[in-house]
Amino acid sequence: GAVVSQHPSWVICKSGTSVKIECRSLDFQATTMFWYRQFPKQSLMLMATSNEGSKATYEQGVEKDKFLINHASLTLSTLTVTSAHPEDSSFYICSAEGSGLAGARPYEQYFGPGTRLTVT
Amino acid sequence: GENVEQHPSTLSVQEGDSAVIKCTYSDSASNYFPWYKQELGKRPQLIIDIRSNVGEKKDQRIAVTLNKTAKHFSLHITETQPEDSAVYFCAASMQTSYDKVIFGPGTSLSVIP
Repeated sequence: GAVVSQHPSWVICKSGTSVKIECRSLDFQATTMFWYRQFPKQSLMLMATSNEGSKATYEQGVEKDKFLINHASLTLSTLTVTSAHPEDSSFYICSAEGSGLAGARPYEQYFGPGTRLTVT
Repeated sequence: GENVEQHPSTLSVQEGDSAVIKCTYSDSASNYFPWYKQELGKRPQLIIDIRSNVGEKKDQRIAVTLNKTAKHFSLHITETQPEDSAVYFCAASMQTSYDKVIFGPGTSLSVIP
């Protein structure tokens, strides 16, 4: 149990276009999901906390109008990178917070496999 | 906010030797300290965690110690194997609902056969 998927696993897009990344908790419900970005050989940097049914909470320095987050259901959060530029190229990873049900330990984060975004 | 530091940034050990990675955190309210292993291009995997009411925890070749007074925690891997080679991240959290996990900068461990 406690599996999180991301789609797509990798994407290449042209500068100026928008890209949507999906994060799904497959067998448990997650009120809270988190979005991270990771540059090569660096740590995971938290971008935002996504709460089902409410607005996401963004970390300092993360542009909320550029990185749109929608957590419309208890199993799905989406991150849309709007007007992408080459500097947005990165590895984006989501995680879903367990609730203590369906094999997901409470408050533990279960990570998706990541999405490699390349903006040309 | 919470700040997690981690040392060393890179570590090379001979197969069979032990590896130790050390972390410090800044927020005394943090009470949950997970360790993650990440292989290149893959998701972080939780390998062990410790809560603030425990000073030490062991799982086969992996152990974690916590000094809450000093705000230090460490990962110990004994009898290292080549498959232990990866990047290891320590992290800290208050582990309440909606609380974020803050990651350390990571340690790249290489186990030389």
